[in-house]
Order: sequence, then C-alpha cells, then structure tokens
Amino acid sequence: DIQMTQSPSSLSASVGDRVTITCRASQSISNYLNWYQQRSGKAPKLLIYSASTLQSGVPSRFSGSGSGTDFTLTISSLQPEDFATYYCQQNHGNPPYTFGQGTKVDMK
Amino acid sequence: QITLKESGPTLVKPTQTLTLTCTFSGFSLRSSGVGVNWIRQTPGKALEWLALIYWNDDKFYNPSLNSRLTLSKDTSRNQVVLTMTNMEIVDTATYFCARSLRDYHFLTGYYPRSFDYWGQGTLVTVSS
Repeated sequence: DIQMTQSPSSLSASVGDRVTITCRASQSISNYLNWYQQRSGKAPKLLIYSASTLQSGVPSRFSGSGSGTDFTLTISSLQPEDFATYYCQQNHGNPPYTFGQGTKVDMK
Repeated sequence: QITLKESGPTLVKPTQTLTLTCTFSGFSLRSSGVGVNWIRQTPGKALEWLALIYWNDDKFYNPSLNSRLTLSKDTSRNQVVLTMTNMEIVDTATYFCARSLRDYHFLTGYYPRSFDYWGQGTLVTVSS
C-alpha cells in the first residue's frame, strides 16, 4: 500500500494567516492526490483534486501544488470557517486508495 | 443537488455481519463513469477506504478486508449495499458512502478521480 504522511499533525494559526500543510507519499503518485476538509462532526469535503485543481465552489484562497511524492495545501488567508482537519488522499494505480493521518488547524 | 445517506444498525455484536445501505439522489448508477465508495473513520479519526462499485458493476475492495466485504447495487432504488462479515471491536467506526467519477490516465488506466460528494456518515459500534 502507498503510505501518506502529513505534516504537521496539528498547527495553531490566526485569522488572516497563511497556512501550509505538507503531504508526502511513500512512492511516486504523479499528481493523483486530493485534499479534503473535515469540520467537526461533519463529513469530509473535497477541496482539491489532481493535486492542484480546485473543486467547484471552493474559495480561491485554497490552493494545491506538487507532483511525485511531495504535495502542499496552502490557505492564503485563513478564515474562521477554515478551522478544521485536512486530509490528503492518493488514488494512484490499484486500490487501496489511502489517506494521510490528518492535520488539525486550530485557533492560536 | 447530489445527496447520499447511509443507513444501518448502530450496534452489532462481535462475529455478526454488518449490512449498510447508501441511498443517493442527484445522480444515477446507470450513468457511465459513476461509482459509489464506502469509507470509514475510526474513533481516532483515521480514514480508511473500503470498497468501490461502478455503474458497470465493476467492484474493488481494500485487500486488507477483501474476504469480509461484499458490494451490491440496486440501480432502480438508487442504493448501494455493503456487507461486512465477522465484525470485530476494531471495526467500530463511522461509515461513509461517497461518490466518485471514473477517470483515465494512459499510464495507469482507470481510476476514481476523487470522492466528490459524501454522506453524513453512520456510527457503527461493535460490542457484546
């Protein structure tokens, strides 16, 4: 299985901050990488697919980059509704399609 | 508007079989490229992909659980059913269903692009 490792596991930030979350795959996955946001008590929500394509309806302050094994999710200016947990997920090749362990963004 | 909703028992005993139903609207499993996944989230918040069924009845399972999982679909009722046999305490989790659209890459073939719509999830506790 392809292992996905996110860093950091948690971070504290303030409204308006620029936030960066990193995801590393245990082998090259090209750009088969998606990002999800999960607010407390809710289902995950797709933010970005294919490493850098913004899902329809997602604010432009979210962006994704990377290819191969190293990927980044950036929130350019953190908003109150962005305090949540973020997961990366790979869909390269055969199943299983694995997730990172999550990065919790909370208020400083 | 696309919606999905999971239903099934909230409590099962060890060794029992779990049957969960995903009922969806706003899309059809008759449409080419459409698939429905099952994904679970442990109490520790780890997400694990379990299985995927496509409109053409192709099915994919997580190899770690392959022998315990079975997927079926009822296209006319817009439902996908997951059965998981021999439930254990470690299977306690929130179970989600989620839609995928199949994509193609010349190097790796067909794959689910993403999990683009999710149900609200249903908590299943395994306990005697």
